[in-house]
Amino acid sequence: AQKVTQAQTEISVVEKEDVTLDCVYETRDTTYYLFWYKQPPSGELVFLIRRNSFDEQNEISGRYSWNFQKSTSSFNFTITASQVVDSAVYFCALSESLNYGGSQGNLIFGKGTKLSVKP
Amino acid sequence: EAQVTQNPRYLITVTGKKLTVTCSQNMNHEYMSWYRQDPGLGLRQIYYSMNVEVTDKGDVPEGYKVSRKEKRNFPLILESPSPNQTSLYFCASSLSGRAYSGRASPLHFGNGTRLTVT
Repeated sequence: AQKVTQAQTEISVVEKEDVTLDCVYETRDTTYYLFWYKQPPSGELVFLIRRNSFDEQNEISGRYSWNFQKSTSSFNFTITASQVVDSAVYFCALSESLNYGGSQGNLIFGKGTKLSVKP
Repeated sequence: EAQVTQNPRYLITVTGKKLTVTCSQNMNHEYMSWYRQDPGLGLRQIYYSMNVEVTDKGDVPEGYKVSRKEKRNFPLILESPSPNQTSLYFCASSLSGRAYSGRASPLHFGNGTRLTVT
């Protein structure tokens, strides 16, 4: 069965520190998709990134970077030089392909990591 | 503006009084879904819909109903709410619930509905 684990419940850092949010997933599928979403204090959920299982290239977007490692089933998210506006709950999510005819298109979310960035 | 609109944002009700939370998207998305968010449990899927008249249970469907009579709307119905349904609810949509050509569409979320059942 598919599962997403975000072992860090809460992280607190001081502005300008780098911080890495961990995400470990389980799936039977060989083709799957991984996502990160951000939930700021205002409550809405914002899509950050999508990654396919067959593309292990790491991605960088400004201060954000993502490290996808199939060998360890991890999809970690790093914020470089964190800012107060990065304070939010971050969710990692997994979506399997159609191979097992199950819940196509459903996203399985981790429990989230609450990041607090202090000035 | 492309968006998913949920109403109401806040709702306080009493046990047993039927209620409906509406969800509408203007992006012509095929796939819509309802999640509830509870502290320590993250987001759990209640129901989803792959297209008009096609709905299916998610992980926590008990006590909820949905319908998808039109592509843009996906209301969540609580026939007889109970206090354990007090939660933050999110509606979401995506272009497709299927992954084609190596792409899975990201979800667009509404702003959430905070429901309290006393």
